[in-house]
Amino acid sequence: QKEVEQNSGPLSVPEGAIASLNCTYSDRVSQSFFWYRQYSGKSPELIMSIYSNGDKEDGRFTAQLNKASQYVSLLIRDSQPSDSATYLCAVLNTGTASKLTFGTGTRLQVTL
Amino acid sequence: EPEVTQTPSHQVTQMGQEVILRCVPISNHLYFYWYRQILGQKVEFLVSFYNNEISEKSEIFDDQFSVERPDGSNFTLKIRSTKLEDSAMYFCASSEFRSLMMDTEAFFGQGTRLTVV
Repeated sequence: QKEVEQNSGPLSVPEGAIASLNCTYSDRVSQSFFWYRQYSGKSPELIMSIYSNGDKEDGRFTAQLNKASQYVSLLIRDSQPSDSATYLCAVLNTGTASKLTFGTGTRLQVTL
Repeated sequence: EPEVTQTPSHQVTQMGQEVILRCVPISNHLYFYWYRQILGQKVEFLVSFYNNEISEKSEIFDDQFSVERPDGSNFTLKIRSTKLEDSAMYFCASSEFRSLMMDTEAFFGQGTRLTVV
């Protein structure tokens, strides 16, 4: 059973701070990783994908991947109240082209 | 901006009844998916579909589920005999290319909340 684990939170950070969200996965040969944002009652929305070890930056978001440790993280710089949502980590299952396994998500609260 | 459209937004059905959830994928997309999310739980893959065939399916997608592309625009999920545990948010998604390894984004619809009573 391939698993994706996240701390459910809530993670509370003050406005303007850096939010750090973490995810571990069990399938050692997974190659593709995704961070989705989900507002309450809404659909998942892709923030970033990452495929190689290291960092990938997009605006205020940085995804970090460490395949040796089976660990992927998302940093949100200059956190805004509008970033308050649940952040879902998803892993593309090995041997499939399209089957994503999601974690339970980490709820982020950005406080004023 | 193109989007995946799902109808209805909320469906209430009695246990044992058949339901059909409808989706209109983004027009130039060729790959379609259904996911579900039971309240407070993970988003779970159900099935992917391409060229009028199921490409992949999960163990959740048993004989009570079926998918169809009845015309050039709609993609449907049918649940033949609903159970209480089928109550969930069902998300349709579509992508332009098959492999999500190639910087291809799967765009999700806003979901249909299915309540089985």
